[in-house]
Amino acid sequence: EIVMTQSPATLSVSPGERATLSCRASQSIKNNLAWHQQKPGQAPRLLIYDASTRVTGIPARFSGSGSGTEFNFTISSLQSEDFAVYYCQQYIHWPPVTFGGGTKVEIK
Amino acid sequence: QVQLVESGGGVVRSGRSLRLSCTASGFTFSLYSLHWVRQAPGKGLEWVALISYGGDNKFYAESVKGRFTISRDNSKNTMFLQMNSLRSEDTAVYYCSRSGSPYLLYNWFDSWGQGTLVTVSS
Repeated sequence: EIVMTQSPATLSVSPGERATLSCRASQSIKNNLAWHQQKPGQAPRLLIYDASTRVTGIPARFSGSGSGTEFNFTISSLQSEDFAVYYCQQYIHWPPVTFGGGTKVEIK
Repeated sequence: QVQLVESGGGVVRSGRSLRLSCTASGFTFSLYSLHWVRQAPGKGLEWVALISYGGDNKFYAESVKGRFTISRDNSKNTMFLQMNSLRSEDTAVYYCSRSGSPYLLYNWFDSWGQGTLVTVSS
């Protein structure tokens, strides 16, 4: 099973600042990584797939990078609606599909 | 617009059974593999099961293997999760989700339902 490790667990950021989240895979997943956003009481929402491809309609302030075992997710200028939990997901080594433990982006 | 709607959650005693449904609209249901993913209270996401677009291939997380059964009825655009021998650790919100590309078994999850809460009491 591929273990996905996200860091930090919590990130405190002021509105307008940049936030960078990390996701590490226990073995290479090439670029088979997605990022999902989840707000309290809501279902997750796909933002990024194939490590760096933004879903149609997702603002350009969200970006993803990396390949192999190390990945980053960046929000270039945090808006109030971006405070949420973000999960990475690998989908090349299955079963099982695995998720990271999540990074909570909170208001500083 | 893709829409997934889960139903069937509720409170159930440990050891009993429950059947969840996921009804889809807005896309050609029979072309897409579907998943169940759960989230225990205050915890992260855990993949539970997958069914291929035709229903022939099914995969399960080790934590539910032998107790849960995934199925689908393509004529009714509906997927099911039969949960038997429920345990307290199965308490979670259960989401159905769609694979991002037609025909592919494993892929990113591009659409999610709103979830249905299953509470297993002892």
